[in-house]
Amino acid sequence: GESVGLHLPTLSVQEGDNSIINCAYSNSASDYFIWYKQESGKGPQFIIDIRSNMDKRQGQRVTVLLNKTVKHLSLQIAATQPGDSAVYFCAETRRDSSYKLIFGSGTRLLVRP
Amino acid sequence: DAGVIQSPRHEVTEMGQEVTLRCKPISGHNSLFWYRQTMMRGLELLIYFNNNVPIDDSGMPEDRFSAKMPNASFSTLKIQPSEPRDSAVYFCASSRDTYTGELFFGEGSRLTVL
Repeated sequence: GESVGLHLPTLSVQEGDNSIINCAYSNSASDYFIWYKQESGKGPQFIIDIRSNMDKRQGQRVTVLLNKTVKHLSLQIAATQPGDSAVYFCAETRRDSSYKLIFGSGTRLLVRP
Repeated sequence: DAGVIQSPRHEVTEMGQEVTLRCKPISGHNSLFWYRQTMMRGLELLIYFNNNVPIDDSGMPEDRFSAKMPNASFSTLKIQPSEPRDSAVYFCASSRDTYTGELFFGEGSRLTVL
């Protein structure tokens, strides 16, 4: 499961720090957003989702923030761990497209020990 | 529980040959998706099925690509004839239905066409 590699933006953080990964989406009609994590050699894995009637949703160590005004989505990871090193993708969809997910290009997160 | 199972994990073939990729979705899932991942284009949706019926195949590159889902537990993606530009990792994913963004991906089939 090789992720998009050559031109991926990379975020490097110290273990234990918080990470913030950003995503801009283009379609103002999108009403459902999802974050996925892809580790090297594996398929993407669902992390958390948020619908457009919300601006914040929390999971275990992760928080997703949605700003519909500027079409921006962010994923916050608290107390980043080495196992969080991966490529993170945001995906968007909308009801009138039968929930067909469109994935962004991804951000690589590197956690320094 | 078994996740989505794909085969083969790796395939190296020569241009012009037929390639068949296989997928077994998670039992009980009603939707199945085929994605392709490349460095240049990222993750692209090729086709998806709901209750074994193809719903949207607008992402299938051209007539050389075809996908079938003869039953709820099996799907194939076929490329005939294959070309070097088809080299990519092909992922199969399944979900409970099409109204969730929680897709469960397999580990992918890495295809290299020489």
